[in-house]
Amino acid sequence: EVQLVESGGGLVQPGGSLRLSCAASGFTVSNNYMTWVRQAPGKGLQWVSVIYGDGSTTYYADSVKGRFTISRDNSNNTLYLHMNSLRVEDTAVYYCARGHWGRGWYWFDPWGQGTLVTVSS
Amino acid sequence: SELTQDPAVSVALGQTVRITCQGDSLRTFYASWYQQKSGQAPVLVIYGEDQRPSGIPDRFSGSSSGNTASLTITGVRAEDEADYYCNSRDSGVNHYVFGGGTKVTVL
Repeated sequence: EVQLVESGGGLVQPGGSLRLSCAASGFTVSNNYMTWVRQAPGKGLQWVSVIYGDGSTTYYADSVKGRFTISRDNSNNTLYLHMNSLRVEDTAVYYCARGHWGRGWYWFDPWGQGTLVTVSS
Repeated sequence: SELTQDPAVSVALGQTVRITCQGDSLRTFYASWYQQKSGQAPVLVIYGEDQRPSGIPDRFSGSSSGNTASLTITGVRAEDEADYYCNSRDSGVNHYVFGGGTKVTVL
């Protein structure tokens, strides 16, 4: 069964750092592109970052560029999101998802259950 | 680039509802659609040219024309009450964008 399980969320002060993990099973992260999406309380989904199959091609939403870093560990089959200089507005549930593409189509499936990050003093 | 959805729509049990998503990126890329029930993670319901993942009922269908993508639920059931989000690759940049979501209420 293809599954994603996030962890690492919690309460952090503004300016602090946190590392989120997304453990994959049923497929190999190194052969896929993976993404992080977040959802602030009561708000919609916001795309955060993507890492492509080569492992070195990464992109970020403007709101997190320069502060967040997406990476993966092939040996542990795990995706990460390193978050620095956290702001109150980064408070959200963070989801990881497996990306797919073909025939010019792009889609995310499955998604993890999410991990809550709260940035507050 | 942005994707625009109506914030909310109501539909009677057993009727049909169409949810639309508009944006310039949809002239280049197909939308994918996600269902999110309260307190749960999003679930893919439609991608590409009206493709449904395994386990998604055939009452869910998708279509696209110009800068508008649509998700149609035919014969709505109570369990279809949820938020629905469209998503596409952003044209011109290697980013992705979500619509603001449409809350579907089943009457």
